[in-house]
Amino acid sequence: DAKTTQPPSMDCAEGRAANLPCNHSTISGNEYVYWYRQIHSQGPQYIIHGLKNNETNEMASLIITEDRKSSTLILPHATLRDTAVYYCIVLSYNTDKLIFGTGTRLQVFP
Amino acid sequence: DTAVSQTPKYLVTQMGNDKSIKCEQNLGHDTMYWYKQDSKKFLKIMFSYNNKELIINETVPNRFSPKSPDKAHLNLHINSLELGDSAVYFCASSLGTGHGYTFGSGTRLTVV
Repeated sequence: DAKTTQPPSMDCAEGRAANLPCNHSTISGNEYVYWYRQIHSQGPQYIIHGLKNNETNEMASLIITEDRKSSTLILPHATLRDTAVYYCIVLSYNTDKLIFGTGTRLQVFP
Repeated sequence: DTAVSQTPKYLVTQMGNDKSIKCEQNLGHDTMYWYKQDSKKFLKIMFSYNNKELIINETVPNRFSPKSPDKAHLNLHINSLELGDSAVYFCASSLGTGHGYTFGSGTRLTVV
């Protein structure tokens, strides 16, 4: 599976959009980009995933560049409850083995 | 509530003991997993089962033995517990490849 690179930490003001970047320059054609988050002491929570088109759901939007070498997770209006570690994971559709990296620790402040 | 539930939530035990952690999901998922999160917060997959059949075994010591009596349950039994086994263990389930995982809330195991 392709490796991902994320900044170790980011800050965001409450109510503002949080844009979390992820580089996955070695991604191959059959690999999806998944985003999970882990709020302190809880189990990881699925957020969103995509292949090449931009995706949006009730939690977030996922923007994938045309060359698929990077993506951005957008939380449109961050709240204090969005403070968590966010993981960007590249997963082949036929391997079904989520491998977590170190993620980005997002701190939302009042 | 539809969920992945693990018991117990906390487990404190002495070195050398044998303990089990139970996991149940009522989501109708076919695949279940065990992950370990160590003190450095690094999440690592240990096992996965699909319809009671072992699919992934990530070179975990033989002291760890998963058991899946049916596709809604995946239990983790650990023999001869060691200090290094102290961690948070997460169970998860999914519909299979290409689908998101649903994680349980974790079992914090402390070996003293």
